[in-house]
Amino acid sequence: QKEVEQDPGPLSVPEGAIVSLNCTYSNSAFQYFMWYRQYSRKGPELLMYTYSSGNKEDGRFTAQVDKSSKYISLFIRDSQPSDSATYLCAMMGTGRRALTFGSGTRLQVQP
Amino acid sequence: GAGVSQSPSNKVTEKGKDVELRCDPISGHTALYWYRQSLGQGLEFLIYFQGNSAPDKSGLPSDRFSAERTGGSVSTLTIQRTQQEDSAVYLCASSLAHGTSDSPLHFGNGTRLTVT
Repeated sequence: QKEVEQDPGPLSVPEGAIVSLNCTYSNSAFQYFMWYRQYSRKGPELLMYTYSSGNKEDGRFTAQVDKSSKYISLFIRDSQPSDSATYLCAMMGTGRRALTFGSGTRLQVQP
Repeated sequence: GAGVSQSPSNKVTEKGKDVELRCDPISGHTALYWYRQSLGQGLEFLIYFQGNSAPDKSGLPSDRFSAERTGGSVSTLTIQRTQQEDSAVYLCASSLAHGTSDSPLHFGNGTRLTVT
């Protein structure tokens, strides 16, 4: 069983829809939670960062962490065709200094 | 400003050959990471360098893989006697310290390795 599970998609939505992306994890030591966006043939870029449980909002993006359920989410409001990319969740504990990534969800926003 | 630079961007090699992949991190970044991304898979941690500390090699899949970082800057990932299962995109990232919100990881665009 992988430490971090993420549905690979693809997830196809119409422009303007609300998108929900999720990851589950098994390691209770994870404290830092991130979402990265990766366009085709590019490296991942950091979108959102959350420490421990709670919500964080940045423009059209909201990240949620529920440590009791070992479940994290990324919501994208008013989705745009430019949001079409692969979204990777990533996590880190306090001991190890390397991120553990999910396999990524491919999102397609149709104009 | 320059980001993380990786070379070559693409590499095709024959099974059994050795390859070297290069990473130029962002100037001043003390932490450097190598990850591997296979088709449809997430990023698999390979190795982590932090300043002058001993590297965390816990992710290297076999003794055919090695990496060094010279002068705290440029890093080279070497794969000896390449196998077809080594085909993947090899991503390098750097950060000011370890990867947190204050010092997020900045990734290069990767080296796409194909072993024939």
